[in-house]
Amino acid sequence: GQNIDQPTEMTATEGAIVQINCTYQTSGFNGLFWYQQHAGEAPTFLSYNVLDGLEEKGRFSSFLSRSKGYSYLLLKELQMKDSASYLCAVMDSNYQLIWGAGTKLIIKP
Amino acid sequence: ETGVTQTPRHLVMGMTNKKSLKCEQHLGHNAMYWYKQSAKKPLELMFVYSLEERVENNSVPSRFSPECPNSSHLFLHLHTLQPEDSALYLCASSLSGGGSYNEQFFGPGTRLTVL
Repeated sequence: GQNIDQPTEMTATEGAIVQINCTYQTSGFNGLFWYQQHAGEAPTFLSYNVLDGLEEKGRFSSFLSRSKGYSYLLLKELQMKDSASYLCAVMDSNYQLIWGAGTKLIIKP
Repeated sequence: ETGVTQTPRHLVMGMTNKKSLKCEQHLGHNAMYWYKQSAKKPLELMFVYSLEERVENNSVPSRFSPECPNSSHLFLHLHTLQPEDSALYLCASSLSGGGSYNEQFFGPGTRLTVL
């Protein structure tokens, strides 16, 4: 079966750095997405990786290793507004998105 | 604002009611999706429409009935639901329904409670 694993919840301090991991086992691979979802709001796109390596976009970076079935989202200089759920999703060989259950990130002052 | 709107935002219904959820996208996309989001569970893809044709139906019970009259509008008709159907129902759209990388844009969802 297809499976996406990510931690259920993480806590970090304002101004610090946090890394949210995602491991996957899917039928084929056509890219990995990270979405941010604030409570009661729509998920919004953060990043897309299809090749190995690090993609940096401001305070957020996303890393992919296809051979290890592994990705992480790195958030730097954490702000209170970064408190949200972070969803990892993999596009399989049928171009369907397979979703993880999300990681709830709690930022403390 | 993502360019995808959903109404109503909240809905409470009894098991014998019939109601409909509406989604509209203003992005010129050709594919639209219905997802179910339950607490602490992955997003569950329910239906996919590409160019107004249903291309995916992931074993969803018949008490959920989708309708896509044009590429900008998507409905989910609900009847004789069960309490376990209570969840957040998200609509999304993308430029196309298949092929290469296709970012999906989500609406804010309808929080459904079935009594």
